Amino acid sequence: QKEVEQDPGPLSVPEGAIVSLNCTYSNSAFQYFMWYRQYSRKGPELLMYTYSSGNKEDGRFTAQVDKSSKYISLFIRDSQPSDSATYLCAMKGRNSGGSNYKLTFGKGTLLTVNP
Amino acid sequence: EPEVTQTPSHQVTQMGQEVILRCVPISNHLYFYWYRQILGQKVEFLVSFYNNEISEKSEIFDDQFSVERPDGSNFTLKIRSTKLEDSAMYFCASLPDAGNTIYFGEGSWLTVV
Repeated sequence: QKEVEQDPGPLSVPEGAIVSLNCTYSNSAFQYFMWYRQYSRKGPELLMYTYSSGNKEDGRFTAQVDKSSKYISLFIRDSQPSDSATYLCAMKGRNSGGSNYKLTFGKGTLLTVNP
Repeated sequence: EPEVTQTPSHQVTQMGQEVILRCVPISNHLYFYWYRQILGQKVEFLVSFYNNEISEKSEIFDDQFSVERPDGSNFTLKIRSTKLEDSAMYFCASLPDAGNTIYFGEGSWLTVV
């Protein structure tokens, strides 16, 4: 089983739709969870960072973590054409900090928001 | 807003040639990283660097690869004797002391022909 699994899509939605992006993971050591947005041939840009199980909201974005199910989600409300990008989930262990900081990424979901 | 900068943005090299990818991390950051993304694949960890030495490296980071911080600002990734399978986007990233999230550069796209 892969450490982090993410449905690669592609996902195409109309402008204004609610988007749900998901990842599952198998490694119980993962304790910190991130969502990055990546435009074509650009670097990953951090969107959300979470630790606790539950929801974290930032504007139109909500990150949800369920550690018991090893499942994380990113919801985008009122999606815009400018949200069209690849969304990457990433995670790391509790003791993975500083010189030991190592992210494990999902493969990314390609999202297109149509005007 | 401070950012990680990388050069070149795109480099084409012949198989067997040496390549140096350069990065200028965010100025007050202490930890530096290289990641790689082969087209259509996951972003993969290569190496972490702190206090002028490698902290951790992945199995991808073999003797063909080396990293260096030659001065107070630059952080380089050298790939000796490039292979076709080294074609990828290489991302530099940095982390401040006691930071929780790393910041990625825009990437250097390497094409080996």
